[in-house]
Amino acid sequence: DAGITQSPRHKVTETGTPVTLRCHQTENHRYMYWYRQDPGHGLRLIHYSYGVKDTDKGEVSDGYSVSRSKTEDFLLTLESATSSQTSVYFCAISDLDADIQYFGAGTRLSVL
Amino acid sequence: GENVEQHPSTLSVQEGDSAVIKCTYSDSASNYFPWYKQELGKRPQLIIDIRSNVGEKKDQRIAVTLNKTAKHFSLHITETQPEDSAVYFCAGGGGNMLTFGGGTRLMVKP
Repeated sequence: DAGITQSPRHKVTETGTPVTLRCHQTENHRYMYWYRQDPGHGLRLIHYSYGVKDTDKGEVSDGYSVSRSKTEDFLLTLESATSSQTSVYFCAISDLDADIQYFGAGTRLSVL
Repeated sequence: GENVEQHPSTLSVQEGDSAVIKCTYSDSASNYFPWYKQELGKRPQLIIDIRSNVGEKKDQRIAVTLNKTAKHFSLHITETQPEDSAVYFCAGGGGNMLTFGGGTRLMVKP
């Protein structure tokens, strides 16, 4: 499945705690993305990266930060989790000028 | 930015019938339109895509049509089977960026 691994796959946390989700790829693709999926909203872009240390905001970036210190890893951090951030988070990758995005298996996050 | 609307949100068909899902987009600069299928608890998987220089593309029982003038594109599934039951997402964009529609839950009744 396109060499994308998300961890953890499931997480339950409490409001106000920090949470970091990891996306790891073995495809050496330049672009990496974090989406959240909520019923009725499809997939909404949180942040994306177009290279090491090159990141930008997406449609729903408030409350989230990202980092990419090496090509294969893209981290999503919720500095202080809120119940509204309960969601399924998908990482995706694409190669430069290729447009096609391949998705990881997702992380189900519950913030209580 | 791009805005993609998808209809219907749910669609129920009898096995063997055809299913059509429609999407509209707002940005005339968008040139890439993929469709993803997501089974329950699984990741979205690309099933077919089309670029703006093509009006129609087929792959066995699925086809996608694109009308650039009207800014809409559609997914057609013929001879539906129970295993076609899933949520389908359209997307529009290009330049390594995509905006997704809200999804259509397709139910194929045996």
